[in-house]
Amino acid sequence: DTAVSQTPKYLVTQMGNDKSIKCEQNLGHDTMYWYKQDSKKFLKIMFSYNNKELIINETVPNRFSPKSPDKAHLNLHINSLELGDSAVYFCASSQGGNSPLHFGNGTRLTVT
Amino acid sequence: QKEVEQDPGPLSVPEGAIVSLNCTYSNSAFQYFMWYRQYSRKGPELLMYTYSSGNKEDGRFTAQVDKSSKYISLFIRDSQPSDSATYLCAMRNSGGYQKVTFGTGTKLQVIP
Repeated sequence: DTAVSQTPKYLVTQMGNDKSIKCEQNLGHDTMYWYKQDSKKFLKIMFSYNNKELIINETVPNRFSPKSPDKAHLNLHINSLELGDSAVYFCASSQGGNSPLHFGNGTRLTVT
Repeated sequence: QKEVEQDPGPLSVPEGAIVSLNCTYSNSAFQYFMWYRQYSRKGPELLMYTYSSGNKEDGRFTAQVDKSSKYISLFIRDSQPSDSATYLCAMRNSGGYQKVTFGTGTKLQVIP
């Protein structure tokens, strides 16, 4: 069974559209994250939720809105997509504040 | 200056060689150190997780942390073609829910 799963795997869309990415983890972890990886492979944190509560909110345009319906799910909604949003978005989870992160396989977003 | 610096490579070695991958960092508050391996079009996979200074060994992998020099290393013994991937170092502060900061990754190619 996949521990951290994201859907969709690929997303191709036009500028100005709104899209969502979903993430689910079956590890029983209490903390989930969204990371963005650019073309140079740099991973940058966007958001983190602990038990449905937002605990990390980096400097991210407010077109990005995360939502955590329960501690096993974390979704990311993006409004008015821009070319610069093209990247791979990774979901991750961890147990507690000091545990390592476990990543999904990413959603490759291409905005045309 | 980035908080975590990592030589992007690429690093090419013959099969069986000992590989040394390194990161330097500027934040002396970092206490937890991780190494991830990322294959193409996959999510980062945790290889090693260490706390504070010292060495940790797991099979062919050894992680070293020198907090006085703000320098961490990952050694791979008897490298295999299957080790060809991008290796990311990562680190975080202790206490509460701290964000994990990543290096930019080193691309490794092990040539048969």
